[in-house]
Amino acid sequence: ILNVEQSPQSLHVQEGDSTNFTCSFPSSNFYALHWYRWETAKSPEALFVMTLNGDEKKKGRISATLNTKEGYSYLYIKGSQPEDSATYLCAPYNAGNMLTFGGGTRLMVKP
Amino acid sequence: KAGVTQTPRYLIKTRGQQVTLSCSPISGHRSVSWYQQTPGQGLQFLFEYFSETQRNKGNFPGRFSGRQFSNSRSEMNVSTLELGDSALYLCASSPPDISNEKLFFGSGTQLSVL
Repeated sequence: ILNVEQSPQSLHVQEGDSTNFTCSFPSSNFYALHWYRWETAKSPEALFVMTLNGDEKKKGRISATLNTKEGYSYLYIKGSQPEDSATYLCAPYNAGNMLTFGGGTRLMVKP
Repeated sequence: KAGVTQTPRYLIKTRGQQVTLSCSPISGHRSVSWYQQTPGQGLQFLFEYFSETQRNKGNFPGRFSGRQFSNSRSEMNVSTLELGDSALYLCASSPPDISNEKLFFGSGTQLSVL
């Protein structure tokens, strides 16, 4: 079972603030890294799937970077909005063919 | 395009009973995976099916089982329910390659074991 750590566990920011979270995972046997957003009372929604070292993905105000050699990924949100309030989950996929989710970072954006 | 459909949405069972949950994937998706979410725990992988074959299984006891049908619909079964099985069970579908394809999640089945 992979050890996937996300930090911080929770985060309170004001509307308009920019923020970032970290996902750490074992770098050995790495294949891909998934990011999901999970809003309360909804289903998890895919943000990005990243595979290459140095990969950068962007979707609106949200972007992510990947470092497979050291085993981490950052998720950035620029100008946070109340609708960004959600739990953000990362999940590396390793050569053992299993997607392992981290505990998530719970973001709360105050208007 | 219809999303991933899970039934039922809510279920209440008593200890010792068994339960079957159903998941219909997005049309054309052949991979279905199941996850358990309990308070204080992250999403934990149960198993993944592709073309009616279990491709991988998480670290859960044998009471948890599943299957996939030729139309890619999947069911998971939990026998001899325990209080600790109370959880949200999510299924997700994806095109063939779960590794680098986004998962599409259903709304989940909330199971309460009394």
